[in-house]
Amino acid sequence: GQNIDQPTEMTATEGAIVQINCTYQTSGFNGLFWYQQHAGEAPTFLSYNVLDGLEEKGRFSSFLSRSKGYSYLLLKELQMKDSASYLCAVKDSNYQLIWGAGTKLIIKP
Amino acid sequence: ETGVTQTPRHLVMGMTNKKSLKCEQHLGHNAMYWYKQSAKKPLELMFVYNFKEQTENNSVPSRFSPECPNSSHLFLHLHTLQPEDSALYLCASSQEAEIHPLHFGNGTRLTVT
Repeated sequence: GQNIDQPTEMTATEGAIVQINCTYQTSGFNGLFWYQQHAGEAPTFLSYNVLDGLEEKGRFSSFLSRSKGYSYLLLKELQMKDSASYLCAVKDSNYQLIWGAGTKLIIKP
Repeated sequence: ETGVTQTPRHLVMGMTNKKSLKCEQHLGHNAMYWYKQSAKKPLELMFVYNFKEQTENNSVPSRFSPECPNSSHLFLHLHTLQPEDSALYLCASSQEAEIHPLHFGNGTRLTVT
């Protein structure tokens, strides 16, 4: 079967750095997405990786290793507004999105 | 403003009621989706419409009935639901099916009593 694993919950301190990991086992691979979802709001697109390496976008970076079936989302200079759930999703060989259950990130002052 | 608008935001219904969820996208996209989001579970894809044609029905019970009158509007008709159907129902759109990223609405929080 197809599976996406990510931690259920993480806690970090304002101003610090946090890394949210995502591992996947899917039938084929056509890209990996990270979405951010604040409580009671719509998930919003953060990043897309299809080749190995690091993609940087401001305070957020996303890394992919296809050989290891592994990605992480790195958040720097954490702000209180970064408290949200972070969803990892992989597009498989049929271009279907396989979703993880999400990681709830709690930022403390 | 997300570009995808869902109404109502909250809905409480009894198991014998009939109600409809509405979704409208203002992004000029050709694909629209219904997802179910339950606590601590992955998003579950329910239905996909691409250019108004239904292309996915992921073994969804017949008590959920989608309707897509045009590329901008999507409905989910509900009847004789069960308490386990209580969840957040998210609508999304994309340029075309299989072309991502998805743009989501804020969802309808459904409670079945």
